[in-house]
Amino acid sequence: GNSVTQMEGPVTLSEEAFLTINCTYTATGYPSLFWYVQYPGEGLQLLLKATKADDKGSNKGFEATYRKETTSFHLEKGSVQVSDSAVYFCALTTQGGSEKLVFGKGTKLTVNP
Amino acid sequence: SAVISQKPSRDICQRGTSLTIQCQVDSQVTMMFWYRQQPGQSLTLIATANQGSEATYESGFVIDKFPISRPNLTFSTLTVSNMSPEDSSIYLCSGAYYEKLFFGSGTQLSVL
Repeated sequence: GNSVTQMEGPVTLSEEAFLTINCTYTATGYPSLFWYVQYPGEGLQLLLKATKADDKGSNKGFEATYRKETTSFHLEKGSVQVSDSAVYFCALTTQGGSEKLVFGKGTKLTVNP
Repeated sequence: SAVISQKPSRDICQRGTSLTIQCQVDSQVTMMFWYRQQPGQSLTLIATANQGSEATYESGFVIDKFPISRPNLTFSTLTVSNMSPEDSSIYLCSGAYYEKLFFGSGTQLSVL
């Protein structure tokens, strides 16, 4: 079946540090891949996505590249800020739309000043 | 974009009781979903809430345990019935407008 394996947290970094959160997947067909973020007290929101191999999703300084050969979609940011503190979820869907998602467990990131 | 209001945000319940969680969307969505996240686990889809008809449940979830209603396009409820400590989880609703997905802020449920 379809599944997402995500780097275990929590992750604690200092401001301006480099961030990588690993995500690998198992899926039939050609999935679309997503990163969602949940800030404290708020709902999940889409951070970025990629729909085919070698696509790079980017938003708010975050990037992730769809790597079919390694079945990975690692999230990176060159310089994190305190405001990036949140829980990050990697997800995929194999259906035509993006409605039915398979999620990873989530990684809690804390950025200290 | 749509805003989804979910309540309660948290609750502590006694085993054997039931809790109903509500989700209200501020605009029309085509589909609504309910997810569960047990401690240390992934968000797992419980069911798709269908307007005016029975929800479509994923494998491992049944209507008797998780009855769902969706009387109109913008409102849905999930009831966790006859609760046990194993039901302690975060419950999350979401709404989809075509390919855009919006989430509520979740309900943290603890069952004693």
